[in-house]
Amino acid sequence: EAGVTQSPTHLIKTRGQQATLRCSPISGHTSVYWYQQALGLGLQFLLWYDEGEERNRGNFPPRFSGRQFPNYSSELNVNALELEDSALYLCASTPGDTAGSTQHFGDGTRLSIL
Amino acid sequence: AQSVTQPDIHITVSEGASLELRCNYSYGATPYLFWYVQSPGQGLQLLLKYFSGDTLVQGIKGFEAEFKRSQSSFNLRKPSVHWSDAAEYFCAVGGGADGLTFGKGTHLIIQP
Repeated sequence: EAGVTQSPTHLIKTRGQQATLRCSPISGHTSVYWYQQALGLGLQFLLWYDEGEERNRGNFPPRFSGRQFPNYSSELNVNALELEDSALYLCASTPGDTAGSTQHFGDGTRLSIL
Repeated sequence: AQSVTQPDIHITVSEGASLELRCNYSYGATPYLFWYVQSPGQGLQLLLKYFSGDTLVQGIKGFEAEFKRSQSSFNLRKPSVHWSDAAEYFCAVGGGADGLTFGKGTHLIIQP
């Protein structure tokens, strides 16, 4: 069984640009979560998508957005990039929206802002 | 609001020695608790989880954790560590609508 895959592995951008990160969940999983792991801030919940809809978001500004496609893959878009957006962005998938479902993580996209 | 505290930022253990990583949580209802491990440059791998039932949970790679409701703790243990156990360990609570809430992590160093 293929795990959660994320692309690209690394992404280098400059301030003010826009970044798009992609995530493919495990086959059969319908929920996708996005997390930011920034130095000194730890792992923080960003967004949750389930069955194609945004269900919840963490304490992040609106320039962090995304979507989930009919095949349950997901994109995270970050607009107007700032230096503090430099982080590892992790995607996780679960079989559904049941609280406590195990989240399976990808290896992340390292976003560096110059 | 839910929260997780991992009091130890770094722990150094000799290879072959026993290990205990501490985790305390704050959660309004019956918690769903997880331990994940992260090797450098990689994502998170689930070691074990607690939902209900037996308070001693067995996981992969010889790890176990004990849920103690009275102490709001979910400490991770291993009887004998191997050099390959060196990594960052995260305790987490929750899931569902608010995602997982993670502790800051404990960096495990293994001395030869």
